[in-house]
Amino acid sequence: EDKVVQSPLSLVVHEGDTVTLNCSYEVTNFRSLLWYKQEKKAPTFLFMLTSSGIEKKSGRLSSILDKKELFSILNITATQTGDSAVYLCAVDMNRDDKIIFGKGTRLHILP
Amino acid sequence: AAGVIQSPRHLIKEKRETATLKCYPIPRHDTVYWYQQGPGQDPQFLISFYEKMQSDKGSIPDRFSAQQFSDYHSELNMSSLELGDSALYFCASSLARGTGELFFGEGSRLTVL
Repeated sequence: EDKVVQSPLSLVVHEGDTVTLNCSYEVTNFRSLLWYKQEKKAPTFLFMLTSSGIEKKSGRLSSILDKKELFSILNITATQTGDSAVYLCAVDMNRDDKIIFGKGTRLHILP
Repeated sequence: AAGVIQSPRHLIKEKRETATLKCYPIPRHDTVYWYQQGPGQDPQFLISFYEKMQSDKGSIPDRFSAQQFSDYHSELNMSSLELGDSALYFCASSLARGTGELFFGEGSRLTVL
């Protein structure tokens, strides 16, 4: 059975801290791994990762994929209260139009 | 920039009623996905369409059906509604298969009483 597992499920840190969110997967026909940020409304796209070892960066956020060990991490440095959200990891499978999500990591940043 | 439009935004129905949700993808996007997200849950894939044909099916109940029309908008039809169908229903679209980048609509919140 295809699955995406995220950890931790919940994380509370102080503003300014650095956090690392984990995503592991077991799927057939992997195509890409995606990170989304979900606040009160729809998930918004952060990164798409297809190759191992290539870091993607966007401001204080960065992510990397390890296709051998089947996991990805999302790093957020110098966290701000606006980073509080649920971060969803998803995997796009290379056979049809199906993207499956993990349960998400609920991140709360304390001022 | 145009985004994915979903309607209605909120819908309240009673058990055993029928509901229809609509999704208008971003112009030129040819793939539409439907997800169901229960309170505190991750989005669960229901069904997807590519070029008006069903391309994949997830955990969609038999009571639900969906289609994509010639103008690429999609409708999710839900019959014999149950309390457990109460959820946020997201539609997402993508420009082409394999890009992985989904653009989500704001969601339609269905409450079944």
